[in-house]
Amino acid sequence: DAKTTQPTSMDCAEGRAANLPCNHSTISGNEYVYWYRQIHSQGPQYIIHGLKNNETNEMASLIITEDRKSSTLILPHATLRDTAVYYCIVRVGDTNAGKSTFGDGTTLTVKP
Amino acid sequence: NAGVTQTPKFRILKIGQSMTLQCTQDMNHNYMYWYRQDPGMGLKLIYYSVGAGITDKGEVPNGYNVSRSTTEDFPLRLELAAPSQTSVYFCASTTPRSASQPQHFGDGTRLSIL
Repeated sequence: DAKTTQPTSMDCAEGRAANLPCNHSTISGNEYVYWYRQIHSQGPQYIIHGLKNNETNEMASLIITEDRKSSTLILPHATLRDTAVYYCIVRVGDTNAGKSTFGDGTTLTVKP
Repeated sequence: NAGVTQTPKFRILKIGQSMTLQCTQDMNHNYMYWYRQDPGMGLKLIYYSVGAGITDKGEVPNGYNVSRSTTEDFPLRLELAAPSQTSVYFCASTTPRSASQPQHFGDGTRLSIL
């Protein structure tokens, strides 16, 4: 599976959009981009995933560049409860036993 | 909807003791995983299973064993606990029924070896 690079930490003001970047320059054509977050050392929580097109759900939006070498997770109106570690992962669908490699993620701190 | 359930939530062991971390899921997922997470670090894969009777090593399997006798359960065994195994352990599951399904995680077991 391709490696990902994320900033170590980011801050965001409450109510503003949080934009979390991820580089995955070695991504293959059949690899999906997944985002998870981990709050207070709880189990990671799935947020969103995509292959080529931009995706949106009730939690966030995922913007994938046309060359698929990077992506951005957008939390449109960040709240204090969005303070967490955010992990960007790429993997090949459900092949390779669905294994995922977690890096160290980005620690997002939402400030009042 | 229980999802992935891990027990116990906390445990303190003495060096050399053994224990089993329990993981069960009620989503009929074929794929299950064990990860460990050291303070300030990401998750590292210990073992995984693609179905009952099938297990395989992940990135950091030394000092651990697993079994998968049923679809629901995937216990992780520590035979001779060492201080280096102090960590938070997470179990996860997913299904290959359709491509790109995410993993579902339990709440973790916090293990200290003293």
